[in-house]
Amino acid sequence: ETGVTQSPTHLIKTRGQQVTLRCSSQSGHNTVSWYQQALGQGPQFIFQYYREEENGRGNFPPRFSGLQFPNYSSELNVNALELDDSALYLCASSTRGALLNEQFFGPGTRLTVL
Amino acid sequence: DQQVKQNSPSLSVQEGRISILNCDYTNSMFDYFLWYKKYPAEGPTFLISISSIKDKNEDGRFTVFLNKSAKHLSLHIVPSQPGDSAVYFCAAGAKEYGNKLVFGAGTILRVKS
Repeated sequence: ETGVTQSPTHLIKTRGQQVTLRCSSQSGHNTVSWYQQALGQGPQFIFQYYREEENGRGNFPPRFSGLQFPNYSSELNVNALELDDSALYLCASSTRGALLNEQFFGPGTRLTVL
Repeated sequence: DQQVKQNSPSLSVQEGRISILNCDYTNSMFDYFLWYKKYPAEGPTFLISISSIKDKNEDGRFTVFLNKSAKHLSLHIVPSQPGDSAVYFCAAGAKEYGNKLVFGAGTILRVKS
């Protein structure tokens, strides 16, 4: 059974650029959630994808968007990067309707915006 | 609006003693609470959880206590071991929110040998 994987591990971008982060969910999981963890803070919910559709969104602007593919993997896209977007981006996979403790996190992508 | 708060940024404990990590929440809709442990360069890993219908859940050295009237939960680790040194996040969820979790800011636990 493969765990949750994310790529790339680290990324450096400049203000105004666009970035795409990728997440492969754990085998058998059909739901992917994305979180942003800024330095010194806990993870903050960005949005969740189920059956290739956005299914719940946190307090993030529209320049944060995502996709889910038929194999349940997912992408997080951020346009017009700002300095405050520098953070660790975590994805978590689960099965819809499962208990909250059956949500597994990937190692994250560290994004630095200069 | 911080719905889940961990007011202690760090905690230092001697090996073999008890570690107590605290968490407060404000949203009465939360009905499930979790603790995650996070090492550097890794994602959070689930440690222990508790449903709002219970006031205690135990798993080996880890026990979580929930005081609903005070909107407070705590994680007890007994005995603490050096390998427990990590960042601990308290998180909360609700059926109405689906799989969304609301996290606290975390507490850095250092267990000294």
